[in-house]
Amino acid sequence: EAGVAQSPRYKIIEKRQSVAFWCNPISGHATLYWYQQILGQGPKLLIQFQNNGVVDDSQLPKDRFSAERLKGVDSTLKIQPAKLEDSAVYLCASSLSATPETQYFGPGTRLLVL
Amino acid sequence: DAKTTQPPSMDCAEGRAANLPCNHSTISGNEYVYWYRQIHSQGPQYIIHGLKNNETNEMASLIITEDRKSSTLILPHATLRDTAVYYCIAPGNTGKLIFGQGTTLQVKP
Repeated sequence: EAGVAQSPRYKIIEKRQSVAFWCNPISGHATLYWYQQILGQGPKLLIQFQNNGVVDDSQLPKDRFSAERLKGVDSTLKIQPAKLEDSAVYLCASSLSATPETQYFGPGTRLLVL
Repeated sequence: DAKTTQPPSMDCAEGRAANLPCNHSTISGNEYVYWYRQIHSQGPQYIIHGLKNNETNEMASLIITEDRKSSTLILPHATLRDTAVYYCIAPGNTGKLIFGQGTTLQVKP
């Protein structure tokens, strides 16, 4: 069974630029999550999708971050414009259903904002 | 979601059992306890979960106290590849994973 795929694995941008991350969850998984992990901290949930609908985006900085999962399968997370403090690893996870279910994580995208 | 408390770090000799404790004194009766680990530069990996009874799988064993206020994750024969940050999480009915600082386990040769 293929795992959660993410791309790119690494990205370096300058502040005020925009960036997008892509995630393809495990086939058949209805729930998709995006997490932000700052160095030295545990992952923090940014947004949760159930199929193509948003379940929880309470921690998403909506002035600069956006995410979509238009067809209920893969998803993109965008940052526009990026700030220095957005430097982090962005993790995507998926699960069969919402709760409580085991979440399977991708390898993450490491973002450095200069 | 119940708050969990873990020691920040632990050492273990290779080949010995690693016992990682977790306190979750505010856990409610129907909240599961989940354990994940994160090896350096990788995404978190599910290990095991339980409600009341002790659980065992190919990766680890989970011992939950009778009052459910604490649990212990046991890696029976730790290897160098088990060096990681281990997270104990009680997601509650929302299923939302709130990661704390976890326990950094260092397995030493």
